[in-house]
Amino acid sequence: GENVEQHPSTLSVQEGDSAVIKCTYSDSASNYFPWYKQELGKGPQLIIDIRSNVGEKKDQRIAVTLNKTAKHFSLHITETQPEDSAVYFCAAGVEGSQGNLIFGKGTKLSVKP
Amino acid sequence: GAGVSQSPSNKVTEKGKDVELRCDPISGHTALYWYRQSLGQGLEFLIYFQGNSAPDKSGLPSDRFSAERTGGSVSTLTIQRTQQEDSAVYLCASSRRWGRGNTIYFGEGSWLTVV
Repeated sequence: GENVEQHPSTLSVQEGDSAVIKCTYSDSASNYFPWYKQELGKGPQLIIDIRSNVGEKKDQRIAVTLNKTAKHFSLHITETQPEDSAVYFCAAGVEGSQGNLIFGKGTKLSVKP
Repeated sequence: GAGVSQSPSNKVTEKGKDVELRCDPISGHTALYWYRQSLGQGLEFLIYFQGNSAPDKSGLPSDRFSAERTGGSVSTLTIQRTQQEDSAVYLCASSRRWGRGNTIYFGEGSWLTVV
């Protein structure tokens, strides 16, 4: 089955700096890679996703890149703000099949003002 | 409803007791998922329902765990003879269907503490 590894487990950056979180996956059949943000006491919320037919996707300060050959994908947050502080999860799955998303263990991002 | 609704939000139970956790998915969503999140850990898949198909129970950790979904809408996760290691946040999620472009939305979770 699918296995998703996520690094780092914790990340501390200064406000305005960039933050990068990396994930690798094992199942070459996976073709859907979402990223979720979880604030304290709340459920995870989708912030961006990418599918294996594209290499990069951007939404304002957030971007995700995918290297299908190497089976890794990354989340990039530019110009970080204190409200970006949260736990971020990557996930991998196969769209169009009866299945589920496999999540990484999460990265706790702290943005210091 | 506006989002995935879960109840109770917090539950403290004694070891050995049974608990039921409820999930009300977003209206019109046919896919429903249960995940477990232990303190500081990632999201562990438990079970998945899609329409009238047989559920994918491959993530349930033991036969003390079961889930049902009545009428294709509300789901109940039941944990029998609870153990301390069952303490975690149980997250429910739903999507319109498992297919291209269908975002999975999570509820706020049910925090279970077994004492």
